[in-house]
Amino acid sequence: SQQGEEDPQALSIQEGENATMNCSYKTSINNLQWYRQNSGRGLVHLILIRSNEREKHSGRLRVTLDTSKKSSSLLITASRAADTASYFCATDTGRRALTFGSGTRLQVQP
Amino acid sequence: GAGVSQSPSNKVTEKGKDVELRCDPISGHTALYWYRQSLGQGLEFLIYFQGNSAPDKSGLPSDRFSAERTGGSVSTLTIQRTQQEDSAVYLCASSPEGSTDTQYFGPGTRLTVL
Repeated sequence: SQQGEEDPQALSIQEGENATMNCSYKTSINNLQWYRQNSGRGLVHLILIRSNEREKHSGRLRVTLDTSKKSSSLLITASRAADTASYFCATDTGRRALTFGSGTRLQVQP
Repeated sequence: GAGVSQSPSNKVTEKGKDVELRCDPISGHTALYWYRQSLGQGLEFLIYFQGNSAPDKSGLPSDRFSAERTGGSVSTLTIQRTQQEDSAVYLCASSPEGSTDTQYFGPGTRLTVL
C-alpha cells in the first residue's frame, strides 16, 4: 500500500461549507505537503508542514500534523466552487523524491 | 518567470511504437523529477535528476523506460515498445537545488497507447 493514503476518496459539499481531508502515512517524515490538481493535469503546491510543527495556516487552509498517529488533515474553510479539484498529500521521507497519496476528489456545489 | 513546460500535451501512439516526452524545467532549478499518474490514481515516482549526480532511476517500471537530462536543463523521457498499460499522464516537476520543500509541476503529457 502507499505511503500516503487520503480519506475520503471523494467528498461533495455545498459552497460555504468546510471541507476536511485526511492523510495517513507509514514511515517517519521530514515534512508533509498538500498539493491541488485541477482536471488531472499539473499539481500546485498548497502548503508544507514540517515534522516539528503541529498546525499551519494559509488563507482559508489549515493543516494539522500528528506525528504520533502518522496523520495529517487539510481543512478548507468557506469553500467555493473554484475549490473543486483533487487534493494530494505528499511526504518527504528523506528519499530524493516525494511520495504521493492517491488523492481526495473534492466537489463543491454552487 | 516561465514555469515548467512539457511537450507534447497529448500523445496518441500505437502499441509497440517508441515515444519521447519532453520537459523544460524552471531556469536555475537543479532538480528534475518525472512522475506517472494513471487515471484516478496518485503520482508514481519514476526518476530523479540532481545536478551532475547519477540519476535515481529506482522508480522506472521496466527497462523500456529511460530518461536523460542534457546540460542540466531539458529532460526527455523515452518509452520504447509502448504497451497499453503505459497509458497515463506523465508529469515533470523541478525544484531548486534538490529541495523537497516545494516541487513545481508542469501541465503533463497525456499518453494514450492504442
